[in-house]
Amino acid sequence: ILNVEQSPQSLHVQEGDSTNFTCSFPSSNFYALHWYRWETAKSPEALFVMTLNGDEKKKGRISATLNTKEGYSYLYIKGSQPEDSATYLCASPRDAGNMLTFGGGTRLMVKP
Amino acid sequence: EAQVTQNPRYLITVTGKKLTVTCSQNMNHEYMSWYRQDPGLGLRQIYYSMNVEVTDKGDVPEGYKVSRKEKRNFPLILESPSPNQTSLYFCASSLSEGRHNEQFFGPGTRLTVL
Repeated sequence: ILNVEQSPQSLHVQEGDSTNFTCSFPSSNFYALHWYRWETAKSPEALFVMTLNGDEKKKGRISATLNTKEGYSYLYIKGSQPEDSATYLCASPRDAGNMLTFGGGTRLMVKP
Repeated sequence: EAQVTQNPRYLITVTGKKLTVTCSQNMNHEYMSWYRQDPGLGLRQIYYSMNVEVTDKGDVPEGYKVSRKEKRNFPLILESPSPNQTSLYFCASSLSEGRHNEQFFGPGTRLTVL
């Protein structure tokens, strides 16, 4: 089973702080890396799908980078706001199949 | 509005009483999938479907059945539910191959099996 790990498990920051967290995955047989944002009492929403080494994607204050050679992706949030409070999930497909393996998530709490 | 819908949203049932959780998407997506979310275990894939009449097992298929008779619908069937199937269930769909396309999630179904 593909091992997708996220760190830290949880993170408390003050409004205005910039923050980042990590998703690690096996670097062999890489196919894609997904990031999702999951707010409490809602369903996960896609942020990015990244496929190429060196990819950088941005959506507003959130950006992500991908290093497939060393097996990690970073998610950055610039100037965190209370509405950024959520669990951020990464996922990667195993082998050439279409099964996605999700990491355990990083729970971000932004204090006003 | 493009969306994935699930019904019911909440269900409390008893061991052994067959139930079906429906999932429907209106985006003409080929790929659909079911996940369960349990504390400390993350989202785990139960079954997925690449297209009509094509389904495959995920990581935790035991105790579940699915069918894909129409492109828009992907029901999850629990023939004889047990307490260890108490969980939060999500249906998701994507345009085509699940690995390269973002997944759109339904609102979730919270199931309790007594």
